[in-house]
Amino acid sequence: DTGVSQNPRHKITKRGQNVTFRCDPISEHNRLYWYRQTLGQGPEFLTYFQNEAQLEKSRLLSDRFSAERPKGSFSTLEIQRTEQGDSAMYLCASSLALSGTDENPQYFGPGTRLTVL
Amino acid sequence: GNSVTQMEGPVTLSEEAFLTINCTYTATGYPSLFWYVQYPGEGLQLLLKATKADDKGSNKGFEATYRKETTSFHLEKGSVQVSDSAVYFCALKDAGKSTFGDGTTLTVKP
Repeated sequence: DTGVSQNPRHKITKRGQNVTFRCDPISEHNRLYWYRQTLGQGPEFLTYFQNEAQLEKSRLLSDRFSAERPKGSFSTLEIQRTEQGDSAMYLCASSLALSGTDENPQYFGPGTRLTVL
Repeated sequence: GNSVTQMEGPVTLSEEAFLTINCTYTATGYPSLFWYVQYPGEGLQLLLKATKADDKGSNKGFEATYRKETTSFHLEKGSVQVSDSAVYFCALKDAGKSTFGDGTTLTVKP
């Protein structure tokens, strides 16, 4: 088990460009989450998947953000027409969800740090 | 909606001092509660968890008890070490997703 991996670890882009991040969860985990974290704050929920189904999206997530998990394994998060306010650490996490419980913790990847110039 | 409030930091202690980091929560359902730790230059790691009222989570000398009557989940350690210096996040998990506090930075001096 190699844990949750994310690529790239760092991304610098110019305002208006599109960026895509990848997350590979722990292999047996059926849930995958995306969070955003800015300096001095805790992770902020963006969206999550159970297998390939996207179950919830934060109201904070604008139309410029889209996430996919096409085969229920890895996931991608795309940001279109990036803005300086999108600069943050983007965290991916995975967990094994058992029916009817929320007991299992999430395991986090190292994050992708996005800087929009 | 759900929310988590942590005591503001930073917290600076001498080695072997007693640690308490306060955490209170608001939730519409019956959440599970977690403490995560982020060491310098590393990602978030699970420290401990509690899934129902009066449960006590413990790990590496840290403890926290799920108090439903006071909606709290305070983190404690009897004797901190320099290696405990990190940012600590309290979180609740409800209906699939987690809500985090803003983190408390702990610095332990020798």
